[in-house]
Formats: sequence, structure tokens, C-alpha cells
Amino acid sequence: DQQVKQNSPSLSVQEGRISILNCDYTNSMFDYFLWYKKYPAEGPTFLISISSIKDKNEDGRFTVFLNKSAKHLSLHIVPSQPGDSAVYFCAASADGYSSASKIIFGSGTRLSIRP
Amino acid sequence: EPEVTQTPSHQVTQMGQEVILRCVPISNHLYFYWYRQILGQKVEFLVSFYNNEISEKSEIFDDQFSVERPDGSNFTLKIRSTKLEDSAMYFCASSDPAGGYGNTIYFGEGSWLTVV
Repeated sequence: DQQVKQNSPSLSVQEGRISILNCDYTNSMFDYFLWYKKYPAEGPTFLISISSIKDKNEDGRFTVFLNKSAKHLSLHIVPSQPGDSAVYFCAASADGYSSASKIIFGSGTRLSIRP
Repeated sequence: EPEVTQTPSHQVTQMGQEVILRCVPISNHLYFYWYRQILGQKVEFLVSFYNNEISEKSEIFDDQFSVERPDGSNFTLKIRSTKLEDSAMYFCASSDPAGGYGNTIYFGEGSWLTVV
């Protein structure tokens, strides 16, 4: 039951360039999307989110784009820095307003920033 | 910055033993969760908890699992009789969706459980 898919298990990007991580979802009830960053043996750290009423949300070096018709979202990191090397998880939830909805995670993409 | 704290960070237990994993959620949050990640696999939802009762649980959360909020600050996950396949990193999380649209869930550092 892969409702949230991250088809690229890994990505290598040169320092200073743009990193683009992609995510697809199948459940049309999802209305809130999140990106988490995770280091080994640590918990997922919230990065940025977007609701389905928007198509873009920006926070510093991080921008998330949502294409509802394609059921696709992406995370852009620019410029990429060595500390960005981690596993990035896409996640989604339904019933976004004032609800304790669980979030469903994708399988993650390991981002490596090379010097 | 407020954070979710978990203890222990690592526990080794024998198969069949009971394990309790403890969590202190962010203080003003009202919704609590447990997730787990088996090595090399995705982060999976186990259970959500609100107002002293389970809101939702996954198929993984069978009768061997239970959750409790024994006081105003702690939130625990108990595994009654551990199995080898329970070996995983267990993440506690909390949220306060009343703060606006969307339920942003904040995770603890995890408790690594090894069943031998």
C-alpha cells in the first residue's frame, strides 16, 4: 500500500547547486503534505509543508511545489550545502483542518551533497 | 525550542519480555503518536492518541501493544511479549493541529529496540 512514493532512493548533487527531490501520491484525499529530513539514528525533523490550497511554499533555501492534478510534489533546496546530506521523507495526511490525522511517509530519498 | 524527548535511547531485551518505551511530548500538544522504522524500511504509523484514548491504530498495533498517558506529561508504549520482528526504532511524536491548517507532527529522537 504505497500511497506516498519516492521513486529515487538516492540523489547526488554538487555543493551550491539545486537539489530537487520528488514525491508522488495516489490518495486524492490527501490535503496536507510535509517534508522531513532524517539523519541516521535520529528522529525525522520537520522541514516544510504545504496545504492543497497552495501550489508553492517557500522557507529560506527550501521550496515545496505541489501539482495536484499530477498528484506530485517536489522539494527544492538551493543552494545545496554539505549539511543537507541526509534522508528526506515526503509525507501526507488527509482531513487537514484541526485533526489529529496520521501522516503517511514515503520510503525516503538519500541526498548526498558532494564538494 | 520545545522538543519531544524519549527514553531509553537504546534497549536490548530478550524475546518474550515486556518493554515500555517512554516519551514526553511537547508540553502544549494534545495529540500523540507512535511510529516505528524497521532497519532499511519506511517510517510506519502505529497509533494516535487524543483525550486519553486511541484515535486510530494500524494493523501493526495488535493486542501485544498498548499506549498510556499515566500522568500529565508522559506517554508510553508497551509491548507485552516482544518478538524478534519488533526490533526497530520507535518514534514518539506529538502535534497541535488547532494551531492552523494541517497537522504538523514533531518527532522525538527515537528509541532503538533490539529483541534477541
